[in-house]
Amino acid sequence: KAGVTQTPRYLIKTRGQQVTLSCSPISGHRSVSWYQQTPGQGLQFLFEYFSETQRNKGNFPGRFSGRQFSNSRSEMNVSTLELGDSALYLCASSDDPPTDYEQYFGPGTRLTVT
Amino acid sequence: QKEVEQDPGPLSVPEGAIVSLNCTYSNSAFQYFMWYRQYSRKGPELLMYTYSSGNKEDGRFTAQVDKSSKYISLFIRDSQPSDSATYLCAMSATQYSGGSNYKLTFGKGTLLTVNP
Repeated sequence: KAGVTQTPRYLIKTRGQQVTLSCSPISGHRSVSWYQQTPGQGLQFLFEYFSETQRNKGNFPGRFSGRQFSNSRSEMNVSTLELGDSALYLCASSDDPPTDYEQYFGPGTRLTVT
Repeated sequence: QKEVEQDPGPLSVPEGAIVSLNCTYSNSAFQYFMWYRQYSRKGPELLMYTYSSGNKEDGRFTAQVDKSSKYISLFIRDSQPSDSATYLCAMSATQYSGGSNYKLTFGKGTLLTVNP
């Protein structure tokens, strides 16, 4: 099976702009989670989508949003970018109900805000 | 106090050494403990998964959980240059079941370099 894919791999944006990141889960996986990874805070959970519905949410401001399509592909959007949003954004997919514990991570999108 | 504390390193060892990586945590509700490995420019991949206290072995890797001390460890025997990566511990109070209350909390990761 193909792994989790994320596009684009790298992005440079300016403060105040908005950005949309895309994630395609492993075929057959219906749960998609998003994480933000920074050197200072580590890996932090943003939100999880299942069957086009947000099922779980971390402690991030409303500028961070997401959605999931009927084919399980997911997008996350960050509006009014701030310098502190510079990070690696990781997407992970899993079975639901899970046949094993694992969440399978994509390679991430490296976002730089200048 | 952070829920999960992990020494960021970096940790540098010679090939063949035994490596010990550790995390401490403060939330006594955590019951499920994981170790992820993350190579440069890649996403994390699950290495070991342990429920409650005890040891689990998989090849050169051994995971230990001591819930009384709120301390978990990952040991790598006969370390190889290919083990060079960032190792992240992660833990949760519940088993992942796709429910709305599930939360996985990560340590910040320890950067390991194994020198040939």
